[in-house]
Amino acid sequence: DAGVIQSPRHEVTEMGQEVTLRCKPISGHNSLFWYRQTMMRGLELLIYFNNNVPIDDSGMPEDRFSAKMPNASFSTLKIQPSEPRDSAVYFCASSAGQGNGYTFGSGTRLTVV
Amino acid sequence: AQSVTQLGSHVSVSEGALVLLRCNYSSSVPPYLFWYVQYPNQGLQLLLKYTTGATLVKGINGFEAEFKKSETSFHLTKPSAHMSDAAEYFCAVWAETGRRALTFGSGTRLQVQP
Repeated sequence: DAGVIQSPRHEVTEMGQEVTLRCKPISGHNSLFWYRQTMMRGLELLIYFNNNVPIDDSGMPEDRFSAKMPNASFSTLKIQPSEPRDSAVYFCASSAGQGNGYTFGSGTRLTVV
Repeated sequence: AQSVTQLGSHVSVSEGALVLLRCNYSSSVPPYLFWYVQYPNQGLQLLLKYTTGATLVKGINGFEAEFKKSETSFHLTKPSAHMSDAAEYFCAVWAETGRRALTFGSGTRLQVQP
């Protein structure tokens, strides 16, 4: 299994631009999570899906952030418009059940200048 | 809601010495507990987990952790540190209440001195 695949690995964009991060979970995993990691705030849960349905988006910082999961093998996290304070590493993780823990992707390092 | 506290943002040990990384949790219901390791520029990798049953759990790379309900702790240990253990370690808790997703501690960066 190739694990959780995220793209791109690095993204540098100018303030105000739209940014789309992508994630392919492990086949058979029914839960998908988006986390953001910064030095100041550590790992923050942004949103998670069960069976492609958003369950809890209370961690999404603002309306500029949106996430979709159109099918079991793909999810996107979009920021529009982007701001410098959005600079962080964004991780996607998937799980086959809470007792199994999560499998994380390698992350997308976003820099907004 | 559940929470996790990791004592010590940085821990430094000598190669061959005991590694002890501390984690205390708060949960109103029996929790599941996890330790993850993150190497530079990589995602988090599961080291070990406690769900039910035996309170001493063994993980990869020689690490183990003991669930102590009375102390609400889940400390991570390794008898003899290796240079390759240098990384950041995260404790996480999940419970059947609240957000029903893993809540992570702030992490402990382990340095191993030669």
